[in-house]
Amino acid sequence: NAGVTQTPKFRVLKTGQSMTLLCAQDMNHEYMYWYRQDPGMGLRLIHYSVGEGTTAKGEVPDGYNVSRLKKQNFLLGLESAAPSQTSVYFCASSGFNEQFFGPGTRLTVL
Amino acid sequence: SQQGEEDPQALSIQEGENATMNCSYKTSINNLQWYRQNSGRGLVHLILIRSNEREKHSGRLRVTLDTSKKSSSLLITASRAADTASYFCATGEMNRDDKIIFGKGTRLHILP
Repeated sequence: NAGVTQTPKFRVLKTGQSMTLLCAQDMNHEYMYWYRQDPGMGLRLIHYSVGEGTTAKGEVPDGYNVSRLKKQNFLLGLESAAPSQTSVYFCASSGFNEQFFGPGTRLTVL
Repeated sequence: SQQGEEDPQALSIQEGENATMNCSYKTSINNLQWYRQNSGRGLVHLILIRSNEREKHSGRLRVTLDTSKKSSSLLITASRAADTASYFCATGEMNRDDKIIFGKGTRLHILP
């Protein structure tokens, strides 16, 4: 089992560009999450999903959109990237309580 | 939103010593979890303690929970160099098992 995988691992964008981060899990988990981690801020929840076809806003959803068309995939989109979105993005999934994390995507917006 | 606050923010101890980290939170919880993050990696789940439990052990880890004080502690005994990492507590809201809120973490450094 691969667990939780994230694509890409690194990305540099210019302000105003768009991109999509892909998260995939092979554990048949219902719940999936997108977090961002900034120095000294811990992890902050961006959006999450409690099942295929569902999405919900987390603590810091502005500037991001998500989709969960398939149970195993959770996509995070940035429509118009801003320097404030420079961060490390983590995806996680859970069946109940314990969350399993991907390796992260380091995004820099210039 | 509720959030766990870890204390201290950073901790350096000698290898072999015990390390204790604390977490305080604000509102009623269903459970509290501890995670470890090695530098540049994703978080790894360590242990979960439910609101009706007071203490839990897993290998060299001991977690306590005091719901009256809204606090938890993580004790790592006989520390090793490989324990160098950041440790986060995360609280699950009462009746909301679909998401948890992370604290800002404690950076633990084990000195050789």
